[in-house]
Formats: sequence, C-alpha cells, structure tokens
Amino acid sequence: NAGVTQTPKFQVLKTGQSMTLQCAQDMNHNSMYWYRQDPGMGLRLIYYSASEGTTDKGEVPNGYNVSRLNKREFSLRLESAAPSQTSVYFCASTKPSDNQPQHFGDGTRLSIL
Amino acid sequence: RKEVEQDPGPFNVPEGATVAFNCTYSNSASQSFFWYRQDCRKEPKLLMSVYSSGNEDGRFTAQLNRASQYISLLIRDSKLSDSATYLCVVNRNNNDMRFGAGTRLTVKP
Repeated sequence: NAGVTQTPKFQVLKTGQSMTLQCAQDMNHNSMYWYRQDPGMGLRLIYYSASEGTTDKGEVPNGYNVSRLNKREFSLRLESAAPSQTSVYFCASTKPSDNQPQHFGDGTRLSIL
Repeated sequence: RKEVEQDPGPFNVPEGATVAFNCTYSNSASQSFFWYRQDCRKEPKLLMSVYSSGNEDGRFTAQLNRASQYISLLIRDSKLSDSATYLCVVNRNNNDMRFGAGTRLTVKP
C-alpha cells in the first residue's frame, strides 16, 4: 500500500518549457489536491478535485492546469514554466467526509531557471 | 491578511517544557480543523484533528474557539523529537483546505 505517489521527485526546467507532475493514490479516496510550498508561505492550494470528473481552483491557480484522469490519478501541468513557479509541489488525497485528514505525497522539488 | 494566521516562531524550548501555539482563521464558515506536523524537507503529516469540545492525544492538547475563530495546540513535556514545524489547517468547505504558514519549534537538550 503506497499511499500517495508523486513523480518525479526532482526536476529542473528552463523558462518556457512545459511539464506535467503526476500523482496517484491507492486509498480509494475521492478528493485530491495540488499544493505548492514556498519558504515562509506555508502550503497554498493550486487546484483540487472533489471527485472524479470535477476540478476547482484554489488560491493560486494561475499558470497551472489539472486533469483528474480517473479516481486514482490527478496531474498538474505547467504549460510555460516561469521562475516564479520554482517551488516544492505536494499532492494530497482525502475521503470526502468532514474532519478527514489529508494524506500527502513526498513532494516534487521543481526549479525553473 | 492571510486566511489562516500563525505565529511563525521560532520557538526554542528546553526538553520537558510546555509550549503553546496559536492560530486564527478568518472564514467563519470553516467546518473542520487540524494540526499537522512537518519535518524539514518532508511532507506534512497529520498530528491531530481539533474538535469543538477540545481533545487530547498523549502530550498534545488541541482546542477550538469558534466564536473567536481561534485554534490552539499545547505540547507538554517536550521531547527532542517534537522539533518540527506545526501547521494549522482549516477546512473551509467541501475539503477546500487552507494552511497556515507554520510555527517552527526547536526542543533543545
């Protein structure tokens, strides 16, 4: 039982390149999330998906797109990477009920030069 | 103003000390509340949920004051292994989670 798996763990891009971050969970959770974490800022929600087939914007969606491919997988795409998107990206999943904690992946460290 | 505010610290305390962290949130419709712990360069992990009546888990006590929109975490008898960043997390609705920036704790021998 792997929980939440993110790939890749590290990536360096040049400005303007595109990239997709992958996330998969094997806990049969309905809801999935993408966050970014910058120093001193805490985690900020980029997009989330309350269930298969739905996605919603979070606090900082600009410059990103998401796809909820199926119940297990939720990908995050940077179409044209910018240095301001250098960050650590975390994927998480949870059951849809109230008071349910989120389970996080190990994170993807992304640097854009 | 951030939706979830925490004192960033750092808090430097000796082993065995009691330390308290505070968190305020601005969205009065928020439904559920958590404390997470995050170690350096690692993912956040759930420490405990926070219930309206207050709840305790070993050395950790969490309290919620909905009227004041305030959450607290008390750690008693601090251990070296408690050194981490503690994140206050608020579920606005439909699992739209908002995180505080975190409070850093260092427990020293």
